[in-house]
Amino acid sequence: DAGITQSPRHKVTETGTPVTLRCHQTENHRYMYWYRQDPGHGLRLIHYSYGVKDTDKGEVSDGYSVSRSKTEDFLLTLESATSSQTSVYFCAISEDSRRTDTQYFGPGTRLTVL
Amino acid sequence: AQSVTQLGSHVSVSEGALVLLRCNYSSSVPPYLFWYVQYPNQGLQLLLKYTTGATLVKGINGFEAEFKKSETSFHLTKPSAHMSDAAEYFCAVSFPQGAQKLVFGQGTRLTINP
Repeated sequence: DAGITQSPRHKVTETGTPVTLRCHQTENHRYMYWYRQDPGHGLRLIHYSYGVKDTDKGEVSDGYSVSRSKTEDFLLTLESATSSQTSVYFCAISEDSRRTDTQYFGPGTRLTVL
Repeated sequence: AQSVTQLGSHVSVSEGALVLLRCNYSSSVPPYLFWYVQYPNQGLQLLLKYTTGATLVKGINGFEAEFKKSETSFHLTKPSAHMSDAAEYFCAVSFPQGAQKLVFGQGTRLTINP
């Protein structure tokens, strides 16, 4: 299994509070991704990173920011959490950016915003 | 634009029966296609992928999928279902440029009846 951990694994928070989710990899892969998983929508890309300090938006980036100060860590921040951000969040990594590359997924973080 | 449609959000089969999970795609360029599996409370794991070459792709755990360009389909099959196959299955297509970004279908939950 790819060495990907996510923390916390579960979090309950209140509307309006900031939340930061962490993804940590031990594979030294260049590319990292944040997805959210919602029933009926599959997984949707929030943000991705193609190197240290290099990030870009995905399909559903509004309300989220990311940072990557080290190769192994990719942080997802909800500046002011809303109930619509209740979801399961997955981090993924890939070695390269080729369309044929496999993405490896972490175990997920279940976030509930009350 | 790329998109994926999985027909049937829930599929139920008997143990030992054929498993057929349907995936149709839309892509403006030759598609690269993936099937991922998600076991309860886990991240996604690659089952198989089609890039180029042979249109019948074999994956892990006895699954296979056939790329049919004329039908824009990439259906997943397994001749004989096992109880351990109970999971959610996602079909995905990769973007034609930029980072290796995936567009996922909404998922199909497979239930195996004893």
